[in-house]
Amino acid sequence: SAVISQKPSRDICQRGTSLTIQCQVDSQVTMMFWYRQQPGQSLTLIATANQGSEATYESGFVIDKFPISRPNLTFSTLTVSNMSPEDSSIYLCSVIQGAGGNTIYFGEGSWLTVV
Amino acid sequence: SQELEQSPQSLIVQEGKNLTINCTSSKTLYGLYWYKQKYGEGLIFLMMLQKGGEEKSHEKITAKLDEKKQQSSLHITASQPSHAGIYLCGADSAAIQGAQKLVFGQGTRLTINP
Repeated sequence: SAVISQKPSRDICQRGTSLTIQCQVDSQVTMMFWYRQQPGQSLTLIATANQGSEATYESGFVIDKFPISRPNLTFSTLTVSNMSPEDSSIYLCSVIQGAGGNTIYFGEGSWLTVV
Repeated sequence: SQELEQSPQSLIVQEGKNLTINCTSSKTLYGLYWYKQKYGEGLIFLMMLQKGGEEKSHEKITAKLDEKKQQSSLHITASQPSHAGIYLCGADSAAIQGAQKLVFGQGTRLTINP
């Protein structure tokens, strides 16, 4: 299975600032996904990040607020811009791997608290 | 759009007891994933089901997908404290098999009492 590392694992951020979350995978993957999990809620997909192209954002999420980079097949970053307390969430990256390319693995998550 | 309903939302069982968590969809499930999450952490992949009637087991956890591919259950036998956590089902959000963008149920919080 894929080993996915996220940094930071936790952070407390001041409102109005921006924070970049890193996601590193131990093998090359075509598609990477970023999810958000607000307190007490389930996961919601933010965007799909493919190497060499612009990220594809889901309804309700925009590039200005959540810019994503995907410089190579093992790494991606998600920036949460101009943070407000409503952005306090766990942010998770995920990848597809496995025989047949149909198993989805998640990183350990980055728990952001905005104060 | 695909929506998943999990039941129960929370569950408290005595250590050693069996339990079942259900995940129901109004649409056909093309890929059904089960994950476990500990509080504030990432998701641990448990199992993935694709075929109607499919059943998979890992240690004391068994997951099934019904023949109509609209309901899945997760069954834990002889529960242990290590089974405590939040269990999430997720499914491919598109009718195209292999779309691989997941929508999730709201989760089931499992507590195991000694």
